Order: sequence, then structure tokens, then C-alpha cells
Amino acid sequence: GEDVEQSLFLSVREGDSSVINCTYTDSSSTYLYWYKQEPGAGLQLLTYIFSNMDMKQDQRLTVLLNKKDKHLSLRIADTQTGDSAIYFCAEKYSSASKIIFGSGTRLSIRP
Amino acid sequence: EAQVTQNPRYLITVTGKKLTVTCSQNMNHEYMSWYRQDPGLGLRQIYYSMNVEVTDKGDVPEGYKVSRKEKRNFPLILESPSPNQTSLYFCASSLSGGGQGLYEQYFGPGTRLTVT
Repeated sequence: GEDVEQSLFLSVREGDSSVINCTYTDSSSTYLYWYKQEPGAGLQLLTYIFSNMDMKQDQRLTVLLNKKDKHLSLRIADTQTGDSAIYFCAEKYSSASKIIFGSGTRLSIRP
Repeated sequence: EAQVTQNPRYLITVTGKKLTVTCSQNMNHEYMSWYRQDPGLGLRQIYYSMNVEVTDKGDVPEGYKVSRKEKRNFPLILESPSPNQTSLYFCASSLSGGGQGLYEQYFGPGTRLTVT
């Protein structure tokens, strides 16, 4: 069935890199997304990757896609306190008008 | 400013008392959707709408109704709320919903509903 899985929590030291992982099930996904939810706010699209790409870099963010293992990761370099948020992995099915979201990973930053 | 608005932001109500949460977008988006967010479960889609007068069930539609009479508005109706509908609700919209496009979703600020 449709499923996107993430670990619920991640704690990193300020200045270190954060790596948030996600696994998905639909091999025909067209786009995979990372959304960020700051406290008290709605989700906001952070970055995305098209399914024919392996990697995408955008300033401090690096997205890696392993289609064989259906594994997606988001790396945040030089993690700052402003990166504290819940990060949602999501996939867009090619055959359906919906986006499936994971449960979200809460990233907390230690001084 | 391009945005999705929801009202109310917070609501405490009692079991069985009908309520409506409004959602409005000013981006001329065709696709609109309602989600509920519960701890450990992420976002689950309740209903979505591909365009005016076109609505469809998501993953957890039981106990909810929607309507799409105008492009900009997509209200969520709870005819007889129950405590298991206590949750954080998000409305979202995107340019379109079908096909192969990117379809970035824009989310409202959320409505925290408590049913006692």
C-alpha cells in the first residue's frame, strides 16, 4: 500500500550536519518533496527532487534519492537554531491526484 | 499577498454540535485539499477537490463533508463532531492536482479543533 516512513525525532549539535531519512513505496513517484513545518505554522515546501535525478543541492540543503532502495534523504549542512522544525517527506504518485506525507521528523538543535 | 487562510484558528466545541472550518485561497488554484495532523501519524488527507464542484474522498473522510461551490473556497464541515476528531487541521491548495507536474502545495496556518 501507500506508505512514506520517517523516524520521529533527530537531535543534532549546532553547526553539525543533519541527515533526515525517508523511505517510500511507490516506484512510479514523479516528485519527492521535503516540507518544513515551523512551530505554530503550516507546512512550507523546502525543496523537491524529480524522480529521474539522484541528487539536488540548494545552498545548505542536499537531497539524495536512491530509487532502487526507495530511499530519500535531506542533509542540512551547518545546522542552525532556525532549522528547528518538523520535516515531512512526501511523494507524488504519478497515477493519482494526491501527495502522501510521512509522519514527520522533529529536528531539535543542541547548543 | 498569495495565501491560504483558515478560520477559525482555534475552536473548542462539544460532541454533536455542527461546525464549519472555512478555507480560502487567492491564487486561483484549481486543487484544494484538507488534511488532519495527529502526533506520530503525520498528515492524512480527508478530502480533496480538483476543481469547482469536483470533490473526492481522501484517506480519512468519515465524519467530514466538504463543498466546492467557488474556486477560492473549500469549507470543511463536521456535521456531528466527536472527540476522535480532535486534531490540527490544514487546508492546502495547488495550481493543479493531476498529471506529472510539480504541484507545490501551499498550506494554511492550521485550525486546532478540540471536541469535548
